[in-house]
Amino acid sequence: AQSVTQPDIHITVSEGASLELRCNYSYGATPYLFWYVQSPGQGLQLLLKYFSGDTLVQGIKGFEAEFKRSQSSFNLRKPSVHWSDAAEYFCAVGARGNKLVFGAGTILRVKS
Amino acid sequence: DSGVTQTPKHLITATGQRVTLRCSPRSGDLSVYWYQQSLDQGLQFLIQYYNGEERAKGNILERFSAQQFPDLHSELNLSSLELGDSALYFCASSLTSGGGREQFFGPGTRLTVL
Repeated sequence: AQSVTQPDIHITVSEGASLELRCNYSYGATPYLFWYVQSPGQGLQLLLKYFSGDTLVQGIKGFEAEFKRSQSSFNLRKPSVHWSDAAEYFCAVGARGNKLVFGAGTILRVKS
Repeated sequence: DSGVTQTPKHLITATGQRVTLRCSPRSGDLSVYWYQQSLDQGLQFLIQYYNGEERAKGNILERFSAQQFPDLHSELNLSSLELGDSALYFCASSLTSGGGREQFFGPGTRLTVL
């Protein structure tokens, strides 16, 4: 069965610092991978996706993620965090039939 | 704004009652998905419809049912509600069914069962 692990429940970074959120997945075939962001009281917004090809994918709001098949990882990065990036981030794998299997989420706090 | 709409935004009801949540997908999208987000279970896939037909089922309780209508909007019906059904229910849509299609999420319906 497909699964996604986000090892960090909470992460706090200073504004302007770099960010890396970890994601490990378990899936038998070539995975479709996604990162979503959820602000308080809001729905989920797609940040970026990996389907195939270039393993470094660029997304919105200055985010990028790197797919590493050997490590079963799809970590999200941002070189300089802004206070508005404070939110909860979800990694997901697109499983059979296109349902998404989500990780437990990582809550990002940004300190000024 | 994802283009997916959900009504109502909030719903407060009592145990044993029945409610209906409504979702309108993005224009042109044929596939609709329902997810439940709760503190203890996280984000869980419930069910998927594609062009009016059920396509995939997840951990959906027998007390829950859904359908997709000819105009492609979808409804999720929750009956015999229990306290544990309190959660945020999301609808998402995608252009087609099949692996890898990105899903666009609505703002959610927050259900509180008292």
